[in-house]
Amino acid sequence: NAGVMQNPRHLVRRRGQEARLRCSPMKGHSHVYWYRQLPEEGLKFMVYLQKENIIDESGMPKERFSAEFPKEGPSILRIQQVVRGDSAAYFCASSPPGTGMNTEAFFGQGTRLTVV
Amino acid sequence: AQSVTQLDSQVPVFEEAPVELRCNYSSSVSVYLFWYVQYPNQGLQLLLKYLSGSTLVKGINGFEAEFNKSQTSFHLRKPSVHISDTAEYFCAVKEGQAGTALIFGKGTTLSVSS
Repeated sequence: NAGVMQNPRHLVRRRGQEARLRCSPMKGHSHVYWYRQLPEEGLKFMVYLQKENIIDESGMPKERFSAEFPKEGPSILRIQQVVRGDSAAYFCASSPPGTGMNTEAFFGQGTRLTVV
Repeated sequence: AQSVTQLDSQVPVFEEAPVELRCNYSSSVSVYLFWYVQYPNQGLQLLLKYLSGSTLVKGINGFEAEFNKSQTSFHLRKPSVHISDTAEYFCAVKEGQAGTALIFGKGTTLSVSS
């Protein structure tokens, strides 16, 4: 069972370009979470999605950022018109459906975005 | 609203010494608690978790943590650290219901030297 797969691992974009970060959850997992880690800081929650639904986007910047988790295919975090302040490591995590013992989230290796 | 406070941003220790990394949380409902470790330029790896039952939880690499409900704490401990334990450690909390995400503390950098 492959782990959470994120690609690309490293992404360089010029200011004003678009960045697309992909996350394939573990097999059987229907919950996906995106986090951003800025240098010298912890992980900040961005958005929580289930298949075709955004459950909680309270951590998403109001502009330029969007996320989706379609019925088929990976979850995508999209950043339009990137600025230098978007440079960070973006981590995806997935968990199986339900609560109780199945609440563990598994993390991917992250995508390190550099805006130049 | 949930929050997690890791009281120490950096903890330097010598090899084979014991270590405790502190974590306090706030939540009005029942919670699940986790400790993750992050090595440089890597993702997060789960060290241990508390879901229910015994308040003393044992994890990988010789780490353990104790859930203290009255003090809303979940401190991480290891009796004897190795150089290879040098990493960033994150405490996280998740409310015990569907539809919530993990909330992380700011992390504690553990530096083990010889």
